[in-house]
Amino acid sequence: EADIYQTPRYLVIGTGKKITLECSQTMGHDKMYWYQQDPGMELHLIHYSYGVNSTEKGDLSSESTVSRIRTEHFPLTLESARPSHTSQYLCASSEGAGIEQYFGPGTRLTVT
Amino acid sequence: QKEVEQDPGPLSVPEGAIVSLNCTYSNSAFQYFMWYRQYSRKGPELLMYTYSSGNKEDGRFTAQVDKSSKYISLFIRDSQPSDSATYLCAMGASGTYKYIFGTGTRLKVLA
Repeated sequence: EADIYQTPRYLVIGTGKKITLECSQTMGHDKMYWYQQDPGMELHLIHYSYGVNSTEKGDLSSESTVSRIRTEHFPLTLESARPSHTSQYLCASSEGAGIEQYFGPGTRLTVT
Repeated sequence: QKEVEQDPGPLSVPEGAIVSLNCTYSNSAFQYFMWYRQYSRKGPELLMYTYSSGNKEDGRFTAQVDKSSKYISLFIRDSQPSDSATYLCAMGASGTYKYIFGTGTRLKVLA
């Protein structure tokens, strides 16, 4: 079973607050990803990392930032949350060619 | 036009039915084709993948890729209520770690 964790699972927060969504994996995977998923819409890649100190923006423009200081940890930060950031955020990791991505359970974020 | 198109459903079938889920794509560079299953309130999990064209079978599941038509399918035989989930196709080109996902098709298998 894949061991990838996301906290918090649910978050309701007011506009303008800074938030950090946590993602950790215990599999030693070199690649990690953040996706945004809205109902009826495809998963959109917003950030990815090939390894420590390597981060890239994905195809969907996002006001969030990420860091990869340790292999197992890939947090996502929103400096100033807005209602348009309301969504489900999924973290994933993989190794090798990255075909099999292991997903966390997701964080459902609501910005009021 | 989206790179990957997938009918969102929902699709309701009786237990024991054969289910066909499909995706079309526009990028001829895609070589890896995956099917993920996502249960409610969970992250997606990989069901199976194929490289380039052809078929792949795993138990009750068969994945097919037709690169000439840019069309992929997932067949589920003898469907069970436990198969009720959202099925997402994903695909990408060789040498990339970024994959494009479809919107997912919501499937409900009625007991």
